[in-house]
Amino acid sequence: QVQLKQSGPGLVQPSQSLSITCTVSGFSLTSYGVHWVRQSPGKGLEWLGVIWSGGSTDYNAAFISRLSISKDNSKSQVFFKMNSLQANDTAIYYCARNLHAMDYWGQGTSVTVSS
Amino acid sequence: SIVMTQTPKFLLVSAGDRVTITCKASQSVSNDVAWYQQKPGQSPKLLIYYASNRYTGVPDRFTGSGYGTDFTFTISTVQAEDLAVYFCQQDYSSPYTFGGGTKLEIK
Repeated sequence: QVQLKQSGPGLVQPSQSLSITCTVSGFSLTSYGVHWVRQSPGKGLEWLGVIWSGGSTDYNAAFISRLSISKDNSKSQVFFKMNSLQANDTAIYYCARNLHAMDYWGQGTSVTVSS
Repeated sequence: SIVMTQTPKFLLVSAGDRVTITCKASQSVSNDVAWYQQKPGQSPKLLIYYASNRYTGVPDRFTGSGYGTDFTFTISTVQAEDLAVYFCQQDYSSPYTFGGGTKLEIK
């Protein structure tokens, strides 16, 4: 069955970077894109970026200077990295498969930015 | 960016009631709108895509409609298990923006 499992830290120091890995099963990354979305109480659901099946990426312009999404098809892994985190980046970060919008979601990674 | 204005923010209903949520896009998004359900402590779940297509396994009490800028999501007969927050999202152009959400509570 389709699954997306996220792994990453729960606590990040201000100005440091956040790295999350989304490991997928039940489908191939060569056939589906993967989105990244975050959810915070103050800003609701916010789309961050996507890596398409062919490897191209599309980022929310608000984050383009500090966001990177890449993948390893052979390992079925998608890599999310955001730099220079601040307190207002505290949120739950999700990866989600692209098919007719976002049809399967990871369990979420709760990230707190604090010293 | 396309702004998705979702109303109402909150609904308090009884089991068996009919519920309607609307989403208005700041510009035309064709039929590229999805609706999601997020239950407490869970990830969002896709219910409707392309404005009116029910995703696999979604009960038929959930329906969507609309085109262009105005979209509607309806639960025909609310059940206790429908307690959740519902979001619309436009899949038309990047950035793929979401509505602010509607919290549905059951009396």
